[in-house]
Amino acid sequence: AQRVTQPEKLLSVFKGAPVELKCNYSYSGSPELFWYVQYSRQRLQLLLRHISRESIKGFTADLNKGETSFHLKKPFAQEEDSAMYYCALKGQGGSEKLVFGKGTKLTVNP
Amino acid sequence: ETGVTQSPTHLIKTRGQQVTLRCSSQSGHNTVSWYQQALGQGPQFIFQYYREEENGRGNFPPRFSGLQFPNYSSELNVNALELDDSALYLCASSLDLGSRNEQFFGPGTRLTVL
Repeated sequence: AQRVTQPEKLLSVFKGAPVELKCNYSYSGSPELFWYVQYSRQRLQLLLRHISRESIKGFTADLNKGETSFHLKKPFAQEEDSAMYYCALKGQGGSEKLVFGKGTKLTVNP
Repeated sequence: ETGVTQSPTHLIKTRGQQVTLRCSSQSGHNTVSWYQQALGQGPQFIFQYYREEENGRGNFPPRFSGLQFPNYSSELNVNALELDDSALYLCASSLDLGSRNEQFFGPGTRLTVL
C-alpha cells in the first residue's frame, strides 16, 4: 500500500531559524515524491519534486530511499513561509494519482 | 492563461440528495483529477480523466461518478449524499499524462451535507 506520513501536525519556529518538515512514505518500487504548499486563502500549489533536484524559495528536499523519507528543509525560515505543507507520492497503476499526507502547518514567528 | 476554476464555491445539501460539481481545466490541459479533502486531512484521490476516459479511480464508492467533456472541462457527481461527504472537493488539471506534468489545483468547492 502507498502511504505518506507527516508526523507533525503543527510546527512553529522563529524567523531565521532552520526548519525541517518531516515526511516518510511507504511504497514498493521507485517513488516519485512531491511537496505541495498552501498559503492562507490560496490554492494548493507544487513547491518542489524530487526528480527536479532544485531549490525553490530556499527549500530543498532529498529523497532517502534507505529511510523512506523526503524531508523538506530550509536553513533560514521567513515569515512568508508560514503555510500548510503537504508531502505527496505519485501512485502506481497507470493513473497519475497523488497520495497525500495529512499536512503540517508551519508558523514562522517574528 | 486562465487557471483551474471550480463552481460553485460553496453549497449545502441534505442527506440523500445528489450534487454536481464543476471544474474548468487550465487552457490546453487534457487531464483532470478530482480529490476529496476532509477537515484536517490531506487530499484523497477520487478519480482521474484523460481525454474523456476514466484513467484510474481511488477507494470511493460508485455513487461518486464523473465526466470529462470534449473541451476537457469536468464534472463530479455524488448521489445519495451522506454526512461524511462533507468536505472540500478539489480538481486538478495537467497538460498530459506523465508525472513530469505538474497538476494545477483549483480553489475547491466546499460541500456541506446536513
